[in-house]
Amino acid sequence: DADVTQTPRNRITKTGKRIMLECSQTKGHDRMYWYRQDPGLGLRLIYYSFDVKDINKGEISDGYSVSRQAQAKFSLSLESAIPNQTALYFCATSDRRQGGGNEQFFGPGTRLTVL
Amino acid sequence: DQQVKQNSPSLSVQEGRISILNCDYTNSMFDYFLWYKKYPAEGPTFLISISSIKDKNEDGRFTVFLNKSAKHLSLHIVPSQPGDSAVYFCAARGRGTSGSRLTFGEGTQLTVNP
Repeated sequence: DADVTQTPRNRITKTGKRIMLECSQTKGHDRMYWYRQDPGLGLRLIYYSFDVKDINKGEISDGYSVSRQAQAKFSLSLESAIPNQTALYFCATSDRRQGGGNEQFFGPGTRLTVL
Repeated sequence: DQQVKQNSPSLSVQEGRISILNCDYTNSMFDYFLWYKKYPAEGPTFLISISSIKDKNEDGRFTVFLNKSAKHLSLHIVPSQPGDSAVYFCAARGRGTSGSRLTFGEGTQLTVNP
């Protein structure tokens, strides 16, 4: 079984709809992240959480919100989706006890299309 | 401002030859650099990293070189194999309170031809 899972894997929605993307992990990591990938722009950080009570904005948080329901669950919401939020979304986790580069482990991604 | 930049969107090499992927950065406060590989329909997976106090790190066919004075790092794959065909992302970690936040480059699509 995958250590980091994302649901749904694909979603098509309409402008103005509320969407929630969910991420779960079984790695026991305390830190979780949401990124979006756009062609030619790489991965950009939306929000990150270092523990259940710690939520931080990333580079591009406008139009998004998050909820850390438990150590293992981190969800991303688009309150009113717009077409330029069409992208590939990745959840990632890391362990603060791991030294060095704090390697992050990624989920398989959610492809979101906003019409 | 793009703090981590991969100027080559794509690279094509012949099987058995060396692949060299490049990455430039602007922030001198980065203390760790990582490379990730991404196949279609999958999430990125960690490949290799290097601390800013080193200039080389090797793991099998993969070697990362860091030139701090030029703010440049490169990933060498020798010999290249068709299974190495993927998008490669360079990432950098900021020192201090930003903790494990990573800043990613745009990615380079590597194609290894049989």
